[in-house]
Amino acid sequence: GENVEQHPSTLSVQEGDSAVIKCTYSDSASNYFPWYKQELGKRPQLIIDIRSNVGEKKDQRIAVTLNKTAKHFSLHITETQPEDSAVYFCAASSGGNYQLIWGAGTKLIIKP
Amino acid sequence: GAVVSQHPSWVICKSGTSVKIECRSLDFQATTMFWYRQFPKQSLMLMATSNEGSKATYEQGVEKDKFLINHASLTLSTLTVTSAHPEDSSFYICSARQGMAEAFFGQGTRLTVV
Repeated sequence: GENVEQHPSTLSVQEGDSAVIKCTYSDSASNYFPWYKQELGKRPQLIIDIRSNVGEKKDQRIAVTLNKTAKHFSLHITETQPEDSAVYFCAASSGGNYQLIWGAGTKLIIKP
Repeated sequence: GAVVSQHPSWVICKSGTSVKIECRSLDFQATTMFWYRQFPKQSLMLMATSNEGSKATYEQGVEKDKFLINHASLTLSTLTVTSAHPEDSSFYICSARQGMAEAFFGQGTRLTVV
């Protein structure tokens, strides 16, 4: 079955700098890759997603890139702000039973 | 965006009793619902996947007789923790999807078994 690995587990960046979180997946049939942000004590919320027919997607300060050949995708956050501090999860999904396989999460810390 | 409502938000129960958690999709039909368990500072651990009208598919290591899942309609799924014990104390969270669309999460349920 699918396996998703996420790195790093913790990322600390200076406010205003960029942050990059990377995920790899194992199932070449996976075709949907969302990124979720979970603030402490709250539910995960989708921040951006990408499907396998696209290589890159951007939404203001957030972008996701997908390399299907290498089977990895990355989250890029530019001009980081204190409110970006949270745990970020990547996931991969194939058509099958619509199941999402999750990465282990990255705790992003924005230093003032 | 779409709304998934999960109740209760927190519950305290005595060891040996059962607890039911509800997950409702308020403005869309959830063809698939997922139940997760999340330990502090850890990722989401999938417990089971349920499709409306069919039996849930449990992940390896999850006791189906202990964690009863019912997905009776396209807007409601329930998780019942039977004969709860202190080690079942955790944060349980559901999510719902319509086909391959975005998955929306409930607000989670903090279960404490005393």
